[in-house]
Amino acid sequence: RKEVEQDPGPFNVPEGATVAFNCTYSNSASQSFFWYRQDCRKEPKLLMSVYSSGNEDGRFTAQLNRASQYISLLIRDSKLSDSATYLCVVKHGGLERSSASKIIFGSGTRLSIRP
Amino acid sequence: DGGITQSPKYLFRKEGQNVTLSCEQNLNHDAMYWYRQDPGQGLRLIYYSQIVNDFQKGDIAEGYSVSREKKESFPLTVTSAQKNPTAFYLCASSPKTGFTEAFFGQGTRLTVV
Repeated sequence: RKEVEQDPGPFNVPEGATVAFNCTYSNSASQSFFWYRQDCRKEPKLLMSVYSSGNEDGRFTAQLNRASQYISLLIRDSKLSDSATYLCVVKHGGLERSSASKIIFGSGTRLSIRP
Repeated sequence: DGGITQSPKYLFRKEGQNVTLSCEQNLNHDAMYWYRQDPGQGLRLIYYSQIVNDFQKGDIAEGYSVSREKKESFPLTVTSAQKNPTAFYLCASSPKTGFTEAFFGQGTRLTVV
């Protein structure tokens, strides 16, 4: 089983629609959670961090459920420019001086917004 | 400007040759990572390092080697033992502790010819 699993996609939705992605993680010791966006043939870039209480950034809302070990991303009023691959990212370890922090990526969910 | 620099952007290698990908950061980050991405796939962890002269294998370390002689540098060598090396390679760095994200270089596209 993969450490981080995402909805496979692709999602093809009309402009203005609301779309949600889910992601599950297997390591209960995971400490930090993020959503990254990756455009075609480019490096991933941070979209938003995910906090325990949930957080919102404009049209984007991220939620974390530690008990069920999943995180979600909601995009409201989607724009053509939102078309990209969205990567769920989990970080664990590194809290002790001798331990290495490990950052694991999900395989990504492709989103395509149509006019 | 602070950031991560990967070079070269494109690299062609003949079968049977070793090749080294460069990754340099001036963000003063302790942790550095190498990922491989195949077309239409997610990122898979090759190696990661927390401190100088120390590194750990990721999920797909076979056929790769790394070194961490300086905090700023984490080069990746793709050896002839890697059977299918054609891919997009991404280097990232992050502060060791704390709930902070990873920052990426622009990647190196390696093609075996």
